[in-house]
Amino acid sequence: DADVTQTPRNRITKTGKRIMLECSQTKGHDRMYWYRQDPGLGLRLIYYSFDVKDINKGEISDGYSVSRQAQAKFSLSLESAIPNQTALYFCATSEGRGNGNQPQHFGDGTRLSIL
Amino acid sequence: RKEVEQDPGPFNVPEGATVAFNCTYSNSASQSFFWYRQDCRKEPKLLMSVYSSGNEDGRFTAQLNRASQYISLLIRDSKLSDSATYLCVVNVRNQGGKLIFGQGTELSVKP
Repeated sequence: DADVTQTPRNRITKTGKRIMLECSQTKGHDRMYWYRQDPGLGLRLIYYSFDVKDINKGEISDGYSVSRQAQAKFSLSLESAIPNQTALYFCATSEGRGNGNQPQHFGDGTRLSIL
Repeated sequence: RKEVEQDPGPFNVPEGATVAFNCTYSNSASQSFFWYRQDCRKEPKLLMSVYSSGNEDGRFTAQLNRASQYISLLIRDSKLSDSATYLCVVNVRNQGGKLIFGQGTELSVKP
């Protein structure tokens, strides 16, 4: 079983719909992250959380919201999806010890298409 | 200017070749450095951390030059299975665990 699980793996939806992407982890890590990846742009951080109910904006948080109600789960919501949110989305986790220099472990990704 | 910049690629090399990837970072407060590998349409996976003294893992050697803010990855004796995109990744001090990713360099190893 994967340590970091994302659902759904693929989703096609229409403009204006509300969408939730789920991430769960069995690694026991405190820190969780949501990224999107677009061709030629690399991975960009949307939101991150260092603990339950801790929420921090990344570089591209507009149009997104997140929820961290349990250590193992971190969900990403698009309240009203728009076509330029079409991308590959990754959840990642890392340990919370030290000064933040721990590597991150990624889920398999969610391919989201907004029509 | 991007915070982390990599060779644009793609690199097309024959099996057995040695290939080097270069990466520069702009933030002098960068404290931790990694190389990740990403296969097509898959998640990034940690290849190796990069230490100040340089480090080696089998056919892979990583180097860090803090003065020049430069990181490199050398792959010796390339295998077909090395074909992937290689991501240079940096963690900046006092920003928790946030990672900053380069755009990646694609490697294609041919028979």
